[in-house]
Amino acid sequence: EAGVAQSPRYKIIEKRQSVAFWCNPISGHATLYWYQQILGQGPKLLIQFQNNGVVDDSQLPKDRFSAERLKGVDSTLKIQPAKLEDSAVYLCASSLEGMQQQYFGPGTRLTVT
Amino acid sequence: GQQLNQSPQSMFIQEGEDVSMNCTSSSIFNTWLWYKQEPGEGPVLLIALYKAGELTSNGRLTAQFGITRKDSFLNISASIPSDVGIYFCAGASFGGGFKTIFGAGTRLFVKA
Repeated sequence: EAGVAQSPRYKIIEKRQSVAFWCNPISGHATLYWYQQILGQGPKLLIQFQNNGVVDDSQLPKDRFSAERLKGVDSTLKIQPAKLEDSAVYLCASSLEGMQQQYFGPGTRLTVT
Repeated sequence: GQQLNQSPQSMFIQEGEDVSMNCTSSSIFNTWLWYKQEPGEGPVLLIALYKAGELTSNGRLTAQFGITRKDSFLNISASIPSDVGIYFCAGASFGGGFKTIFGAGTRLFVKA
């Protein structure tokens, strides 16, 4: 069974530029999560989708971050414009509907200079 | 908001030693999960706990869901060099869908 796929693996941008990350969850997983993991910290949930609907985006900085999961399968997370403090690993995870066990992708390491 | 306090922050041990780490919160959780993260990878689920008092093993790993539902611990017996990594606890509670929060992690270093 293929795992959660993410791309790109690494991205370096200057502040005020835009960036987008892509995630393809495990087949059949209705729930998709985007996390931000700052160096030395645990993952922090940014947004949670159930199929193509948003369940929780309470910690998403909506002035600069956006995410979509239009067909209920893969998802994109965008930052526009980026700030220095956005430097982090962005993790995508998926789970079966109603299950708490989450399966994580390898993450995208973003460096904002 | 909900917070998890995970300790210790880091551990330096000798191969063969046993390890214990724990997670506490002022909030009640329905599920406790333990993940391991290695450099350049996403966290991988080790153990999931669903009932207060539950004790579950996965090989050399044992985890318990605290009776108060506010804490959990993870033990690793007879550590080996490949146990090196960051161990995260996560608590999940139901409120309009399950919400999961992660601790800050315990960094484990094993000396051969």
